[in-house]
Amino acid sequence: GENVEQHPSTLSVQEGDSAVIKCTYSDSASNYFPWYKQELGKGPQLIIDIRSNVGEKKDQRIAVTLNKTAKHFSLHITETQPEDSAVYFCAAPKGLSNFGNEKLTFGTGTRLTIIP
Amino acid sequence: NAGVTQTPKFRVLKTGQSMTLLCAQDMNHEYMYWYRQDPGMGLRLIHYSVGEGTTAKGEVPDGYNVSRLKKQNFLLGLESAAPSQTSVYFCASHPWGAPETQYFGPGTRLLVL
Repeated sequence: GENVEQHPSTLSVQEGDSAVIKCTYSDSASNYFPWYKQELGKGPQLIIDIRSNVGEKKDQRIAVTLNKTAKHFSLHITETQPEDSAVYFCAAPKGLSNFGNEKLTFGTGTRLTIIP
Repeated sequence: NAGVTQTPKFRVLKTGQSMTLLCAQDMNHEYMYWYRQDPGMGLRLIHYSVGEGTTAKGEVPDGYNVSRLKKQNFLLGLESAAPSQTSVYFCASHPWGAPETQYFGPGTRLLVL
């Protein structure tokens, strides 16, 4: 099965600086990697995902990079703002035998705090 | 659309009591999941369903049962609650073919004394 490790568990950055969260996965067959953001008292929400056929994807201040050889992917948040404070989870598919409906394995989460 | 809703939001149980958590989605999604979230352990899958009338075990199913009698509802039952089941429970759903896009409910906080 898929193992997903996520680092760091907590991260504090000054407002306006960049934040980077890293995840590693074990199954070389995994072909997409979503990132979820969980605000206090709410459920996680998908913010971006990357497919294995690209190395980088950007959406405004958020970017995700993928290194298939090293089996790791990272979330980059630039020009951080107070509303970026949240818990972020990476995920990877568990198995590829269900025609695109695989279950997800989640990382253990990173609590990001933006210091005003 | 309300998306994914969960009932109740918070509950306190005594050891040995039973309860049912209700998840409802109005997006006509085939796939539904129950996760538990504990500090430092991320989201762990309890049970899931790939369609009305179907259920399957996740990675931590012991002590829980589920039912999906209607496509829009997914129920999680605790027959005899234990303190180890103190957690925050999240329901999620996604349409066929889009497992990366899971829609989560707001969560149910359960305390077992």
